Amino acid sequence: EVQLVESGGGLNQPGGSLRLSCAASGLTVSSNYMSWVRQAPGKGLEWISVIYIDGSTYYADSVKGRFTISRDNSNNTLFLQMNKLRVEDTAVYYCARGLAENDYWGQGSLVTVSS
Amino acid sequence: DIQMTQSPLSVSASLGDTVTITCRASQGINIWVGWYQQKPGKAPALLIYGASNLRTGVPSRFSGSGSGTDFTLTISGLQPEDFATYYCQEADSFPYTFGQGTKLE
Repeated sequence: EVQLVESGGGLNQPGGSLRLSCAASGLTVSSNYMSWVRQAPGKGLEWISVIYIDGSTYYADSVKGRFTISRDNSNNTLFLQMNKLRVEDTAVYYCARGLAENDYWGQGSLVTVSS
Repeated sequence: DIQMTQSPLSVSASLGDTVTITCRASQGINIWVGWYQQKPGKAPALLIYGASNLRTGVPSRFSGSGSGTDFTLTISGLQPEDFATYYCQEADSFPYTFGQGTKLE
């Protein structure tokens, strides 16, 4: 059974940093495209980043230069390092398998950016 | 970026009804569309991929169609567990844009 479990969310001030983790079981992170998708409170879904099997990374314009996606192959974990946080980054962050048409999702981790 | 325009944004229906949700892409994307169902407080769940392929385990009352710019999700014979929000997503190119969502109530 595939499980993705996010952690690391919380309250942070504008300009701050936070790192989200996504621990995977039942699939190998390094053998899959892995994405992060977020959802602001009461809003729709926004794709923000993907890491390819070969390690290439891509970002939405809204987070480019501030967020970094990475993985730890030995611990089968995906990460999202979020720097220079803005109020508009407040959202539930989901990790998911695939580029798009994502078939497995974590339960989500709430990030709140507020002064 | 490709824009995905969903309609309607909300729809009222009753048990047993057939509901159709549409998604229009701002440019042709072949068959690269997925459809998701999301219930409050839960992660989205993939229903359809490649415009018309039903994900394993998804009830056959869900179906998808379309290619190019116009896509539809049809739910035939609504069941109580189908009342949720539905999203389309283009899977053609970055940034894999989602539609605005359709709330089925």
